[in-house]
Amino acid sequence: DTAVSQTPKYLVTQMGNDKSIKCEQNLGHDTMYWYKQDSKKFLKIMFSYNNKELIINETVPNRFSPKSPDKAHLNLHINSLELGDSAVYFCASRPRTANYGYTFGSGTRLTVV
Amino acid sequence: RKEVEQDPGPFNVPEGATVAFNCTYSNSASQSFFWYRQDCRKEPKLLMSVYSSGNEDGRFTAQLNRASQYISLLIRDSKLSDSATYLCVANSGGSNYKLTFGKGTLLTVNP
Repeated sequence: DTAVSQTPKYLVTQMGNDKSIKCEQNLGHDTMYWYKQDSKKFLKIMFSYNNKELIINETVPNRFSPKSPDKAHLNLHINSLELGDSAVYFCASRPRTANYGYTFGSGTRLTVV
Repeated sequence: RKEVEQDPGPFNVPEGATVAFNCTYSNSASQSFFWYRQDCRKEPKLLMSVYSSGNEDGRFTAQLNRASQYISLLIRDSKLSDSATYLCVANSGGSNYKLTFGKGTLLTVNP
């Protein structure tokens, strides 16, 4: 039933490792996003895909690579993890309707040690 | 200057109080606005959209002043369950629809 689901919910890994976070939405939305919420609770956009096409790419290190195999899925791969990557990563989606907010997934809490 | 700025609080109020949150946005091209609520260690959830004419949803009233680039949220008769962080949000991406979030205002409603 979950509208926007992310896996894993928690991820603890060592510096230098490569990891992926997966996101799937069953709402039929066209646009999906990745946001990062750091320790100061500030939510910042990272990427946006519209129907598998990258449309927003904020100033994010190129160690972060999003992939959208289809419009219901948006994954995030992170290479060479650093301590500063520790944060909660939220996936979100929205429908085509202009004045509509996002639906967020429950987040992936990434801790790099 | 941050795109969306909010008073970080925290706000501590007794049950039944009326509390108001204020927010300003810097991008005059922003077209749509929202208030989200985020509980501790949870995802943000849409509380309400904000319309130019002002809008109300039960105990919650949102206002938008485009001339001043100012948004507000009023909570009347606050409940313990209203305790959360309230996030002011603007669509600052134009046709690319990018929601920019304020840092949030933490509200604690006390018994």
